[in-house]
Amino acid sequence: KAGVTQTPRYLIKTRGQQVTLSCSPISGHRSVSWYQQTPGQGLQFLFEYFSETQRNKGNFPGRFSGRQFSNSRSEMNVSTLELGDSALYLCASSFIPGASTDTQYFGPGTRLTVL
Amino acid sequence: GDSVTQMEGPVTLSEEAFLTINCTYTATGYPSLFWYVQYPGEGLQLLLKATKADDKGSNKGFEATYRKETTSFHLEKGSVQVSDSAVYFCALRETSGSRLTFGEGTQLTVNP
Repeated sequence: KAGVTQTPRYLIKTRGQQVTLSCSPISGHRSVSWYQQTPGQGLQFLFEYFSETQRNKGNFPGRFSGRQFSNSRSEMNVSTLELGDSALYLCASSFIPGASTDTQYFGPGTRLTVL
Repeated sequence: GDSVTQMEGPVTLSEEAFLTINCTYTATGYPSLFWYVQYPGEGLQLLLKATKADDKGSNKGFEATYRKETTSFHLEKGSVQVSDSAVYFCALRETSGSRLTFGEGTQLTVNP
């Protein structure tokens, strides 16, 4: 079974631009979560989607948004990019969010560099 | 809110040495606990997990036991290899929902 895929793997943008990242979950998984990883802040939760609905949101500004499609694929968008948005963005998928046996599986990430 | 604290790194060991990476947590309810590993340039790979008190997770020679009385989930391996060099993250998942809260990560380097 194929794992979580993320595209693109690398991205370079300039301040003020916007960017869209894509995530395809493991087949059959309906929950997708996004995390930001930086050297200073570590791994931080952005948001979670299940059945096209945002279930949970982390403490990030409104410039960070996401959505999920009917096939469970998810996108996240960052508008008006700032230098501090440079990070590795990780997507994770799971089968039954909230179940005691639920486990999140991560993709390889998208490395975003903002110049 | 929920939080996870890992032992400070980096940790450098010789091949075949014993490994312990400490992890303690603060959470309400009964969280599930995880160890993930990250190799250079890659995403996170699930190493092992435990979903209730006294559960022991194990994989590839690594073990961790969910200790509710000490709110800990320490990672151990009896004999490390050079290929174990990576960053290790302890994480908890809240009782309801999928949000993971991660520790700071511990960089492990194993020398031949």
